[in-house]
Amino acid sequence: GDSVTQMEGPVTLSEEAFLTINCTYTATGYPSLFWYVQYPGEGLQLLLKATKADDKGSNKGFEATYRKETTSFHLEKGSVQVSDSAVYFCALNPGQGGADGLTFGKGTHLIIQP
Amino acid sequence: EAGVAQSPRYKIIEKRQSVAFWCNPISGHATLYWYQQILGQGPKLLIQFQNNGVVDDSQLPKDRFSAERLKGVDSTLKIQPAKLEDSAVYLCASSYLQFEDTQYFGPGTRLTVL
Repeated sequence: GDSVTQMEGPVTLSEEAFLTINCTYTATGYPSLFWYVQYPGEGLQLLLKATKADDKGSNKGFEATYRKETTSFHLEKGSVQVSDSAVYFCALNPGQGGADGLTFGKGTHLIIQP
Repeated sequence: EAGVAQSPRYKIIEKRQSVAFWCNPISGHATLYWYQQILGQGPKLLIQFQNNGVVDDSQLPKDRFSAERLKGVDSTLKIQPAKLEDSAVYLCASSYLQFEDTQYFGPGTRLTVL
């Protein structure tokens, strides 16, 4: 079945550091890929998405490129802020006829220190 | 635009008791999902509705879990009888369309089974 693997946390960085959170997936067909973020005390929010190979999703300074050849969708940000501290989830939507519930990774807890 | 509403936000019950959760999706959203998020893991899809019909309930433990969406709007998820391993956050999400469309999540109901 479909699966998503993302790097284990917690990831601790200093403010203004460069961020990469790795995400790889296994899926049949042509899934859509998502990054969701969960800030402390809040619900899951969509951060960015990409629906086909080589698409780049971006939002709030975060970027991720859909790489079909490496089955990856790594999340990057050039300069993180304390306010980026949250749990980040990589997810896929199988994009085939019928059910399209998301398959999530386990989440990566990001801690940004001032 | 109002978001996905869920209630209650917290629930504590004894094992073997029953419990019900309620979800009201974003107005006009035809697709509704219930996810289970166990501590330290990503959300796992339990059931997906399209209007008032079930699209996917392959991961729903049907011996104890049930869900309905009778009028194609609100939905309830029930557990009877509850087990210790059902302790989790139950998330409701909705989307306007199936396939590649953004799923919007509610704040969740945190269930503790003692």
